[in-house]
Amino acid sequence: DAKTTQPNSMESNEEEPVHLPCNHSTISGTDYIHWYRQLPSQGPEYVIHGLTSNVNNRMASLAIAEDRKSSTLILHRATLRDAAVYYCILRDGVGGGSNYKLTFGKGTLLTVNP
Amino acid sequence: SAVISQKPSRDICQRGTSLTIQCQVDSQVTMMFWYRQQPGQSLTLIATANQGSEATYESGFVIDKFPISRPNLTFSTLTVSNMSPEDSSIYLCSVFTDSFVEQYFGPGTRLTVT
Repeated sequence: DAKTTQPNSMESNEEEPVHLPCNHSTISGTDYIHWYRQLPSQGPEYVIHGLTSNVNNRMASLAIAEDRKSSTLILHRATLRDAAVYYCILRDGVGGGSNYKLTFGKGTLLTVNP
Repeated sequence: SAVISQKPSRDICQRGTSLTIQCQVDSQVTMMFWYRQQPGQSLTLIATANQGSEATYESGFVIDKFPISRPNLTFSTLTVSNMSPEDSSIYLCSVFTDSFVEQYFGPGTRLTVT
């Protein structure tokens, strides 16, 4: 599985934007970049995913570098509820079966200060 | 989307015993996954369970220790057999919807082995 590298932790203030980086220098052409987050005492939840172009949804934005070797998850206005561990995961978009499984790294623990 | 429930939500068990964890999904899904999250760690995939076929186990996990049943498209069980304190973890089940994009996670079963 292609590997991702994220900072262990980051801190933000409430209502400020947060940029969570992820490096994935060994990404393959068919790997999608997925972001999940895990709130305290809950299972992970999907945030966003993308392949090459920047993506926006109601939760966040995903900015993907032109060479696809890095990406940034952007929370436009952090709230206390956004305090969680954020996981950047590469998932092969080709084929089925085991290609669909998610391999979690250590993620980034985001602390949001009031 | 998919709503997943797990039973029990938590349990304290004696070493040497077994515990069966149930996972119920509110819709029919093809692929189900079982993960383990040890204290302070990230998620590790135990196995993939498809209805009508044997579960596929990841390296380091064996069927004798973690037998899985998948009797229909909405239900699965994971048994943790002959437990030791090292099995103390949160066990989560997870599914893809038909789009195979977002993966949904249950709330987890917190297991403590004494």
